[in-house]
Amino acid sequence: QSVLTQPPSASGTPGQRVTISCSGSTSNIGSETVNWYQQLPGTAPKLLIYNVNQRPSGVPDRFSGSKSGTSASLAISGLQSEDEADYYCATWDDSLNGPVFGGGTKLTVL
Amino acid sequence: QVQLVQSGAEVKKPGASVKVSCKASGYTFTSYYVHWVRQAPGHGLQWMGLINPSRGSTSYAQTFQGRVTMTRDTPTSTVYMELSSLTSDDAAVYYCARGPIGTLDHWGQGTQVTVSS
Repeated sequence: QSVLTQPPSASGTPGQRVTISCSGSTSNIGSETVNWYQQLPGTAPKLLIYNVNQRPSGVPDRFSGSKSGTSASLAISGLQSEDEADYYCATWDDSLNGPVFGGGTKLTVL
Repeated sequence: QVQLVQSGAEVKKPGASVKVSCKASGYTFTSYYVHWVRQAPGHGLQWMGLINPSRGSTSYAQTFQGRVTMTRDTPTSTVYMELSSLTSDDAAVYYCARGPIGTLDHWGQGTQVTVSS
């Protein structure tokens, strides 16, 4: 059971906009910044969004993040086939004194 | 460019220990924490702990306290993670990742650990 709650799956067609949610609590998302990681099949996770809505160099601006209260969201616009991957939200948890991850959302591009 | 290169796959018997290495390059080794995260088959990501390469200080997730040891060798810019008393539940891909606390900005390629009698 993950500390952060994500839907197990999401899907969309090419060009569509999809959103992935991440729900936490006051001891994690509610008081800390949020990061998102993308894991393509058979590869290591990659930092996609940090500090709620910042993109590392090289990440397309089709990816965006937001946060409200104890929840966060990742939005992907102009969906492409190469976006098919697992997406994880993550944040620091004050109670656990360490980073915690969501259970992951498998994005399928139809 | 920043690189974290991990040691190869391991096969261990139940009750044994495994030691995985993570060699860093492309940045000042002592300036960033190194975290360890594992991923069991078909499961999500689980944080195991971190080491501060500058001081050698560590912080472990409660789940692994007493079973995990993280160390570093500064001259070779290498971090090690040793997990003892292995069971089948420890079969997973183990990743090292660099980061300021909480944000893992570069990851190693992963090391597959198989636990089988």
